[in-house]
Amino acid sequence: EPEVTQTPSHQVTQMGQEVILRCVPISNHLYFYWYRQILGQKVEFLVSFYNNEISEKSEIFDDQFSVERPDGSNFTLKIRSTKLEDSAMYFCASTPLPTSGSNEQFFGPGTRLTVL
Amino acid sequence: RKEVEQDPGPFNVPEGATVAFNCTYSNSASQSFFWYRQDCRKEPKLLMSVYSSGNEDGRFTAQLNRASQYISLLIRDSKLSDSATYLCVVPRGSTLGRLYFGRGTQLTVWP
Repeated sequence: EPEVTQTPSHQVTQMGQEVILRCVPISNHLYFYWYRQILGQKVEFLVSFYNNEISEKSEIFDDQFSVERPDGSNFTLKIRSTKLEDSAMYFCASTPLPTSGSNEQFFGPGTRLTVL
Repeated sequence: RKEVEQDPGPFNVPEGATVAFNCTYSNSASQSFFWYRQDCRKEPKLLMSVYSSGNEDGRFTAQLNRASQYISLLIRDSKLSDSATYLCVVPRGSTLGRLYFGRGTQLTVWP
């Protein structure tokens, strides 16, 4: 069964450093998302991406964040200058264009980001 | 008012018990609703979708009350493997929009 993959599974970085989190969505999916989950808290939406541009972003997704689809398979989230409060699990998700009203989003296993 | 609110739990039940979780949502325009399951430190996985008044899949039943903006999940004959956090999830508006997650309800099924 096709699945979303994410690398690395765990990233440790120093405050102020740049990190790039990588995702490979399911191959025939067209909408992509990033969510994050701070330990003990709920899953929060960051950004959605379709047709090589951002469709929607949350208030969390400030100028420190950017997304890119550099080729036909990867979807990346860059955090330019990490802060302690960026420590969280980051989930990538994808969905095909809906055919029956469903927008089940398929989640990757996540990247645990630890900022020291 | 928060977009999605859930019973905080935790629920601790013996094997074989029936347990129900509740969820309320604020966006009356939402058309579809989901229950996801999340195991510790893992990704959310879709358990059930709800589009009309309800949906049943084996031991799991989800019900929707649009007038009260209320969703429930019933688990019958609980198994040890049902132990997880159950997330009530509501899309915003369009079917491709962001998902709003509740904080989740933790369930532990004991032998």
